[in-house]
Amino acid sequence: DGGITQSPKYLFRKEGQNVTLSCEQNLNHDAMYWYRQDPGQGLRLIYYSQIVNDFQKGDIAEGYSVSREKKESFPLTVTSAQKNPTAFYLCASGDRGYEQYFGPGTRLTVT
Amino acid sequence: AQSVTQLGSHVSVSEGALVLLRCNYSSSVPPYLFWYVQYPNQGLQLLLKYTTGATLVKGINGFEAEFKKSETSFHLTKPSAHMSDAAEYFCAVSRQGAQKLVFGQGTRLTINP
Repeated sequence: DGGITQSPKYLFRKEGQNVTLSCEQNLNHDAMYWYRQDPGQGLRLIYYSQIVNDFQKGDIAEGYSVSREKKESFPLTVTSAQKNPTAFYLCASGDRGYEQYFGPGTRLTVT
Repeated sequence: AQSVTQLGSHVSVSEGALVLLRCNYSSSVPPYLFWYVQYPNQGLQLLLKYTTGATLVKGINGFEAEFKKSETSFHLTKPSAHMSDAAEYFCAVSRQGAQKLVFGQGTRLTINP
């Protein structure tokens, strides 16, 4: 089946720890995206990548980092510098200008 | 720059009633327009899209939307609401070659029995 997978579905971490969220796609899309979703705040773009080995900051990149070593993979690291990391994280992929396809999301809770 | 405004963060309708979710956009070039649905604790699912051609677009689950250039609108409708339509709906705009989509803030749809 073609699609986007995110793992794990739920993730718990202690404050001060870095954590990496996985995102894999087999849709052969060049572009991949990471969004953060908080209650009542819609989607906010964290980072995006149009091609392997290149990525751009979105609207709320502070405290996050990404890599794009393979076309299929776009992992997101939530660093200890992110002040409010508890949120629902969504990964997406797509062709430039057109619709994006979303993964099931990872709910991160930091205590 | 492109932008999207969804009128009404919460909409409530009775089961069997018409569903109308409003979306207005701003774009200096011909837009590509999308509606997504999100069920609790899930990712977004594409309902329908407009890029070129016919301005009335039919999507999944009985939804449709009409691109009205003169009104810069892309409202989402469904003739008869079903309990399973309760979800959050997002409108998004893009353009040819754009690097990213611009999303509206979302509208939470509640269906009353």
